[in-house]
Amino acid sequence: AQSVTQLGSHVSVSEGALVLLRCNYSSSVPPYLFWYVQYPNQGLQLLLKYTSAATLVKGINGFEAEFKKSETSFHLTKPSAHMSDAAEYFCAVSESRDDKIIFGKGTRLHILP
Amino acid sequence: GAVVSQHPSWVICKSGTSVKIECRSLDFQATTMFWYRQFPKQSLMLMATSNEGSKATYEQGVEKDKFLINHASLTLSTLTVTSAHPEDSSFYICSAPLTLGYGYTFGSGTRLTVV
Repeated sequence: AQSVTQLGSHVSVSEGALVLLRCNYSSSVPPYLFWYVQYPNQGLQLLLKYTSAATLVKGINGFEAEFKKSETSFHLTKPSAHMSDAAEYFCAVSESRDDKIIFGKGTRLHILP
Repeated sequence: GAVVSQHPSWVICKSGTSVKIECRSLDFQATTMFWYRQFPKQSLMLMATSNEGSKATYEQGVEKDKFLINHASLTLSTLTVTSAHPEDSSFYICSAPLTLGYGYTFGSGTRLTVV
């Protein structure tokens, strides 16, 4: 069964600093991987997704993630953090187009002024 | 496109009553709908998968009789929390696979508070 592990339930970075949120996956087949963001009391917003095309995926709001099969990782990065990036971030995996999507436990990103 | 409308966005009910949550696919046909539950400051846990015209598949540990899922049409899936108790208070979110491209669309969620 597929699963994702997000290292660090809380990450704090200074405004303007690099954001790095870690995600490792486990899957018996080539996975489809996603990063979602959730603001308080709101639903999920897709940041980006990997679907076996380019390994470096660019998403919205300046975020990007790189799929590394050898490391079974799909870490999320942003060169320069903004205060508005403070939110909960979820990495997720599915094994086929219509299969269930499984979420990691989430990482809360704090932006320090 | 590919919007899932979820209602209500929030609901407060008394213990022992039942609450129905609806997810409608507005501009596509959702043959499959996933139902998730999210406790405060926690991740989304998959509760069940519903398929149009057939019985839902529940994840281990989810009470079928407690959380009734119906997917009677290609545009509507419902989750009914029966005989609700305070421990059922949570954020419930539905999701459907996209029919074009790859990915999922999510409802905006329902905040259920049982008092």
